[in-house]
This record gives sequence, C-alpha cells and structure tokens, in this order.
Amino acid sequence: QKEVEQDPGPLSVPEGAIVSLNCTYSNSAFQYFMWYRQYSRKGPELLMYTYSSGNKEDGRFTAQVDKSSKYISLFIRDSQPSDSATYLCAMSSSDSWGKLQFGAGTQVVVTP
Amino acid sequence: DGGITQSPKYLFRKEGQNVTLSCEQNLNHDAMYWYRQDPGQGLRLIYYSQIVNDFQKGDIAEGYSVSREKKESFPLTVTSAQKNPTAFYLCASSPGQGWNIQYFGAGTRLSVL
Repeated sequence: QKEVEQDPGPLSVPEGAIVSLNCTYSNSAFQYFMWYRQYSRKGPELLMYTYSSGNKEDGRFTAQVDKSSKYISLFIRDSQPSDSATYLCAMSSSDSWGKLQFGAGTQVVVTP
Repeated sequence: DGGITQSPKYLFRKEGQNVTLSCEQNLNHDAMYWYRQDPGQGLRLIYYSQIVNDFQKGDIAEGYSVSREKKESFPLTVTSAQKNPTAFYLCASSPGQGWNIQYFGAGTRLSVL
C-alpha cells in the first residue's frame, strides 16, 4: 500500500462549481502538507502549504488537514477553466530531511 | 529572474546510450532533487543532495547517476542500465535543512528512439 493515496480522476466540474480534492496517508509522522498544481507538460507549482492540523485559506483555495483521520483536502471555489490541471498532494515529516511523499495526482477538468 | 532551469526540454536516447539532463538554480538553495514522473504514478524520487559534493539515492536510483560539484548545478545522467527511461524528469530545489517546500523546474521529457 502506498504511503499517500490520491484518486487520479479525472474530475470534471462545470465552471463556477466547487472542486473538492483529497488525499489520505498512513504515516502519522507527517506534519507538513502541500498542494501543488501541475499544468500539462509543465513543472508543479506550489499552491498551498500547511503545518500540522487546521485550515488555511488563500483566495479561492482552502486547504484542510485532519491529522486524526490522516486526511487532507483542497477546495477550489468559483472554479475557472484555467483551474484545469493535475493537483498533487505532498507531505513530509520533520525528520525526513525535506524528502516529500507525493500522491499520484488528480486531474481536474473545468468545463465552460 | 530567480528560478530553476532544466534543459533540454525534450531529449531522445538511442539504445545503449547515456544521456545527461541539466538542472541549474539561482535561488541559492542548498538542497536539490531529481524526480521521475510516469502517468498515474505521481513523482518518484531518484536522487537528492543536501549539500555540495554529497548526494543520496532515492527510491528508484538504479540506472541513474548524479553529481553535485557546484551549489547551483545538479545534473542527472540516465545510463544504458536504465531499461525503461521514457518519462518526464523533474528537478526541484529547497533552501535546505528545516525546509519542506520544494520548487520545481519545467521538466525534461525523455524518449527512447
């Protein structure tokens, strides 16, 4: 079983809808959680960074971490066609020397 | 303009040939990483380096080699021992110990002729 599980999708939503993405993990030592966005044939870019549990909001994006359930989420409000991309979750522990464990990525398609 | 530069963007390898992928960063980051991305498999760590002249194997190091002679450069060689090299290769960097965020280059797509 992989350390980080993420549904690969594709997830198709109409423009303006809320996109809901999530990852589950098995390593209780993970404390740092990230969401990256990757457009086709490009490198991933950091969207959200969260330490430990709780919520973090940045514009249309909200990241949630529930360490008790080993579950993280990313919500995109008022989705736009430009949000069509693959979203990767990533996480690490304090003793991992910066090594990240990635989910497989979820492909999101926002249709006009 | 600070960032991570990977070159070339596309690369073709013949059977039995070694090829080298370039990664340069001007962010003054201590740590650098190489990942391989295959469809549906996410990113898998090949090699990483926390400091100049030192590097460690990641999860899938077989058939690959690296060097870290300068802080800003971390080239990856895909050797002939790597039997399935076709993939998207990503280089990343991080400020160093205590930092968990990595910043990525635009990637190199390697194909076998």
